[in-house]
Amino acid sequence: GAVVSQHPSWVICKSGTSVKIECRSLDFQATTMFWYRQFPKQSLMLMATSNEGSKATYEQGVEKDKFLINHASLTLSTLTVTSAHPEDSSFYICSARDGGLANTGELFFGEGSRLTVL
Amino acid sequence: AQTVTQSQPEMSVQEAETVTLSCTYDTSENNYYLFWYKQPPSRQMILVIRQEAYKQQNATENRFSVNFQKAAKSFSLKISDSQLGDTAMYFCAFMKLLNAGNMLTFGGGTRLMVKP
Repeated sequence: GAVVSQHPSWVICKSGTSVKIECRSLDFQATTMFWYRQFPKQSLMLMATSNEGSKATYEQGVEKDKFLINHASLTLSTLTVTSAHPEDSSFYICSARDGGLANTGELFFGEGSRLTVL
Repeated sequence: AQTVTQSQPEMSVQEAETVTLSCTYDTSENNYYLFWYKQPPSRQMILVIRQEAYKQQNATENRFSVNFQKAAKSFSLKISDSQLGDTAMYFCAFMKLLNAGNMLTFGGGTRLMVKP
C-alpha cells in the first residue's frame, strides 16, 4: 500500500528557533497533502491543505506566517514552525492523497512528528 | 460546516467479545464519505473502514462493520471478536464529495481498551 513518511519523528528545540518537518510520499505522487495538529488525548485538527505548486490553504485560526507550508514537488511537503514557543508543542501529522489513482477519498497518513519546545 | 461527534470518550471490552462505537454527524450535504480510523499507541493513523453515503448497504471489513443510518446521521462501528491488538483510539471522520478537496473532519475519538 501507499506509504507516507514523516521526518523527524520527534524533535526538541529551544524557544525561538524554527523547526522543519518533512512529509514524503514514498511510492506515489501526492498532488494534495494535509497537515494536522493533535494535542494529547485530543482529535486531529486540520491546519492546512497543501497543493503541489501552489500556496497552501490554511484553516481559520491557523497563522500562515507561523506555520509555513511548502509543497514544491509531488512527493514532498514541508511544515516549518517559525519562532517556536512552548505552546506550539504538539503532535503534527500529515496525510496525502494518491493523485495517480481514482479518487476514492482514501488518505494515507504519516507516522507523525512530535514537537517539544523548551 | 460539518461536525462529527463521538459520545463515548472511553470504552472497554473483553477479548473475543463485540463492541460498538458510536458516531453522529451533522451536515447539509447529501453525498459524502464516512470513515473510521484507528490510532494505536504508535500514533500511526490506519483506515479501518469506509462508507459512501449513496450506498445503502453497510460496509464490512472482516471483523469490522458499520451501521450507517443516513436519516439519523449515525455511523457506528461494530468490532466483533475483539482482539488485544484492537486497543487504540478510534476516530470517526467525515469527508464531503471528493471534488471538494478530500478534507476530513474528525470526531473527538473513543479510546478502546480490549481486556484479556
